[in-house]
Amino acid sequence: GAGVSQSPSNKVTEKGKDVELRCDPISGHTALYWYRQSLGQGLEFLIYFQGNSAPDKSGLPSDRFSAERTGGSVSTLTIQRTQQEDSAVYLCASSLVPSGIKNIQYFGAGTRLSVL
Amino acid sequence: AQTVTQSQPEMSVQEAETVTLSCTYDTSESNYYLFWYKQPPSRQMILVIRQEAYKQQNATENRFSVNFQKAAKSFSLKISDSQLGDTAMYFCAFMKQVPSIGGSNYKLTFGKGTLLTVNP
Repeated sequence: GAGVSQSPSNKVTEKGKDVELRCDPISGHTALYWYRQSLGQGLEFLIYFQGNSAPDKSGLPSDRFSAERTGGSVSTLTIQRTQQEDSAVYLCASSLVPSGIKNIQYFGAGTRLSVL
Repeated sequence: AQTVTQSQPEMSVQEAETVTLSCTYDTSESNYYLFWYKQPPSRQMILVIRQEAYKQQNATENRFSVNFQKAAKSFSLKISDSQLGDTAMYFCAFMKQVPSIGGSNYKLTFGKGTLLTVNP
């Protein structure tokens, strides 16, 4: 596609429910990142996928968070038993195979998650 | 761990004037990269400018330029001839090569951002 696509753009859910956020990266980009942007905070790294390698999950805040990337393309971030502190904008980015300064991360418009 | 600090939560500038946004960082790495991203109300992060740490020459992209001071670990962004469309959150970001199984993880570490408002 022309850019990184994320859906839904906004999601309102009740505390305790599970949610799934989708990211469709730029075609041909092998690296995919998820970040979280909380109110008044910068972006916090969550998880990274590179090709068929095992993902780097070091940024996931708890075991309620998980992510998959099927077929090296679309990724889904799942949050189970949502809590109010999970309310944030979840941003996805993709890039070509990392190569130093040429590794530019292109971001989607994010999903704004509100947990009531 | 790397940290990125943006000491100006908000700034404003008159249209056509020049403004400088500050960014400092802390790292023990010698090779790394620095970026400025812009996030307008649409939420989509857009790369403004980037700098390789081993290059002494400051990067420039049209009206945007940086003042990179490696010894001081400072990476400020100068916007010349400010335009109304420059109104946005600006994030400074740091990237190093993090070894991980199967490849390198070029994750970005961001500052908390500076909200820039350009006034007509």
